[in-house]
Amino acid sequence: GAGVSQTPSNKVTEKGKYVELRCDPISGHTALYWYRQSLGQGPEFLIYFQGTGAADDSGLPNDRFFAVRPEGSVSTLKIQRTERGDSAVYLCASSPPNDEQFFGPGTRLTVL
Amino acid sequence: LAKTTQPISMDSYEGQEVNITCSHNNIATNDYITWYQQFPSQGPRFIIQGYKTKVTNEVASLFIPADRKSSTLSLPRVSLSDTAVYYCLVGATSRGNDYKLSFGAGTTVTVRA
Repeated sequence: GAGVSQTPSNKVTEKGKYVELRCDPISGHTALYWYRQSLGQGPEFLIYFQGTGAADDSGLPNDRFFAVRPEGSVSTLKIQRTERGDSAVYLCASSPPNDEQFFGPGTRLTVL
Repeated sequence: LAKTTQPISMDSYEGQEVNITCSHNNIATNDYITWYQQFPSQGPRFIIQGYKTKVTNEVASLFIPADRKSSTLSLPRVSLSDTAVYYCLVGATSRGNDYKLSFGAGTTVTVRA
């Protein structure tokens, strides 16, 4: 079946702009996660959704970052007033309850 | 989560066995050891998990000594397609329950012809 998909695959923006990154989880997966991966590093946890609600957003670096999952399926990670330091690959994963996380290919964000 | 230490990189040739050792001196009693694989331009993929002794699946083997302060991922007869970054994670409870996966920098394995 289809895996986790993320769009766009690449996003180039200018400093100060607003961006939205989309994640389509595997059908039926109730849990959804966002991670950020900087060059040469492993992924870092950002936020976890169980259904429509954010069960844990402790990894979001500051209030410029926000994520939603209004219908318990697709999720959007939103970044306001982007900074060059936000450049990274943003990974989404989904899972059934308390089970293995399946990752998407990520969105590579470049802030000029 | 227990901190892990693994080599930054390893080189190998096709057909050889690759062994990656991960140190986790502060592992807790209820921690499991999990390894992920990440290819370029892809997200990480679960490959194996264990608690003690030896675990084997179709992809790899995981060796864990009695003191559990280290573990070794063994990739038998590697091919060029095994070139990837391999991450060792240590966390509470079993697969999936510890949702805040904590990745270090991983080990970059390069397989040459």
